[in-house]
Amino acid sequence: EVQLVESGGGLVQPGGSLRLSCAASGFTFSRYTMNWVRQAPGKGLEWISYISGNSVTIYYADSVKGRFTISRDNAKNSLYLQMSSLRADDTAVYYCASDPRQRPFEDHWGQGTLVTVSA
Amino acid sequence: DIQMTQSPSSLSASVGDRVTITCRASQGIRSDLGWYQQRPGKAPKCLMYAASSLQRGVPSRFSGSGSGTEFTLTISSLQPEDFATYYCLQHNSYPITFGQGTRLEIK
Repeated sequence: EVQLVESGGGLVQPGGSLRLSCAASGFTFSRYTMNWVRQAPGKGLEWISYISGNSVTIYYADSVKGRFTISRDNAKNSLYLQMSSLRADDTAVYYCASDPRQRPFEDHWGQGTLVTVSA
Repeated sequence: DIQMTQSPSSLSASVGDRVTITCRASQGIRSDLGWYQQRPGKAPKCLMYAASSLQRGVPSRFSGSGSGTEFTLTISSLQPEDFATYYCLQHNSYPITFGQGTRLEIK
């Protein structure tokens, strides 16, 4: 069974840093491109970052570019999101998710981890 | 960036009704579109990919159509478990963008 399990969320002060992790199991992680998607409380979904299977290709949304860094460790079947210079508007549930471009198509999401940026 | 305009933003309907949700892309995206359902407190779940392909395990009352800039998701006969929020997503180019969401409520 495919599983994605996020961890690392919590309360952080504005300007602080946090590292999210996403542990993958049940599939050959290194073959999958992956994304981070977030959802602010009561708001819609926002894609924030993409990484290819070999980490060669990486994209960021403008809202996080220069502050967030996506990475992966295929040996550990793990995806990461290093977040720095956090702001109140980064408060959201953060999901790791398989890539909608993946073929054959597979739909996998973690349960989400809540990041709250507040003094 | 490609903008996805989803309508309506909310919809009240009854069990058994047929409902249609529309997404319009600001430029052509071929069929690079998915539809997602999200229940409160849960992760999104893909219903349709490639605009009109039903994700496995999703009931056949869900269908999708369109290509280019106009897309629709249709639920042929609403069931109680279908009351949720629906999003379209384009992956033709990065940044991936979502529609604003359609909240489907019980009338």
